[in-house]
Amino acid sequence: DIQMTQSPSSVSASVGDRVTITCRASQGISSWLAWYQQKPGKAPKLLIYAASSLQSGVPSRFSGSESGTDFTLTISSLQPEDFATYYCQQANSFPYTFGQGTKVEIK
Amino acid sequence: QVQLQESGPGLVKPSQTLSLTCTVSGASISSGGYYWSWIRQHPGKGLEWIGYIYYSGSTYYNPSLKSRVTISVDTSKNQFSLKLSSVTAADTAVYYCARCPRSGGTCKYGMDVWGQGTTVTVSS
Repeated sequence: DIQMTQSPSSVSASVGDRVTITCRASQGISSWLAWYQQKPGKAPKLLIYAASSLQSGVPSRFSGSESGTDFTLTISSLQPEDFATYYCQQANSFPYTFGQGTKVEIK
Repeated sequence: QVQLQESGPGLVKPSQTLSLTCTVSGASISSGGYYWSWIRQHPGKGLEWIGYIYYSGSTYYNPSLKSRVTISVDTSKNQFSLKLSSVTAADTAVYYCARCPRSGGTCKYGMDVWGQGTTVTVSS
């Protein structure tokens, strides 16, 4: 299975901060990576697919990028509703696997 | 808009079979174009993809669960289902159903619609 390693596991930030979360794949996955946001008690929500494509309806402050097997989710200006846990998921090969999550907390 | 809703028992005894159903509204499973997945989340933990089914009945399962998992589809009811046999406490989790756009036999574009999730506890 492809291992997805996210860092950091948690980050404390303030409203208006720029936040960057990284996900590293244990082997090449082309650009087949998705990012999800999950709030407590809720289902994950798709933010980004194919590494850098913004899902319809998702604010433009969210963006994704890639460099080899390293993928990055950036929130350009953190808003109160962005405090949540974020997961990456590789969609290149079976079985699909997720990162362990990054919790974005209020500083 | 498309909505998914999981249903099934919240408590299952060890060694029994967990059975969940996902009802799809706002879209027809039989129209094709999407895989219909099950994902689970252990308490306080990350996400684990269980498997998916296409409207034709073709499936793919996570090898770690393959010996115990069956996913089926009922297009007449616009539902798909999950059965997980011989459950133990390690199968206690929130179970989600989700949809992913089909692309060459894969879910390359991620899972774009999710159910709210249903908690299943395995305990005697």
